[in-house]
Amino acid sequence: KAGVTQTPRYLIKTRGQQVTLSCSPISGHRSVSWYQQTPGQGLQFLFEYFSETQRNKGNFPGRFSGRQFSNSRSEMNVSTLELGDSALYLCASSMGAGVRTEAFFGQGTRLTVV
Amino acid sequence: AQRVTQPEKLLSVFKGAPVELKCNYSYSGSPELFWYVQYSRQRLQLLLRHISRESIKGFTADLNKGETSFHLKKPFAQEEDSAMYYCALSAGVDNFNKFYFGSGTKLNVKP
Repeated sequence: KAGVTQTPRYLIKTRGQQVTLSCSPISGHRSVSWYQQTPGQGLQFLFEYFSETQRNKGNFPGRFSGRQFSNSRSEMNVSTLELGDSALYLCASSMGAGVRTEAFFGQGTRLTVV
Repeated sequence: AQRVTQPEKLLSVFKGAPVELKCNYSYSGSPELFWYVQYSRQRLQLLLRHISRESIKGFTADLNKGETSFHLKKPFAQEEDSAMYYCALSAGVDNFNKFYFGSGTKLNVKP
């Protein structure tokens, strides 16, 4: 079956702009999580959505937001971009219920803010 | 607060040598611990998790609650094991997909 798909793969934006990243989970998966990966901070949890509801949130400013649609696809939005937002953004999907579910990661969207 | 520490950024060993990638965590509750691996140009993927107590590709990891450690071990490293390894902690059932990742250890297995 198809894996987690993230689009676009690469993105270049200017400071102050906003950006929307998309994640299509594995079919049947209801949980989608987002992570930011940078050389300095490593992998940091942004938020998780389950059945269209935000279930968990990391320590990021309100400029970072997300949503999940009824088909479990998720979008992440970053407003008023800053240079420090340049990173690889990873999405992970899982069944979402129970401890034995595994999270599958997408290949990420590389965002560069100039 | 939850925290995962991987003290080594880079670990170089020769093929056939034993390898141990260290991971220590801090968490007040009962954690779920995982090892994820990222091979060159590939996506992050699950290697193993402590609740399964299984061996994947010859790797094992034992959760030591007394030392709050979850070190990854393999008795004989192979060149194909060269990759980036991340230790991760999940804060439980309702927070299962909220992982706290370590900074990662790059394993380089030399021929």
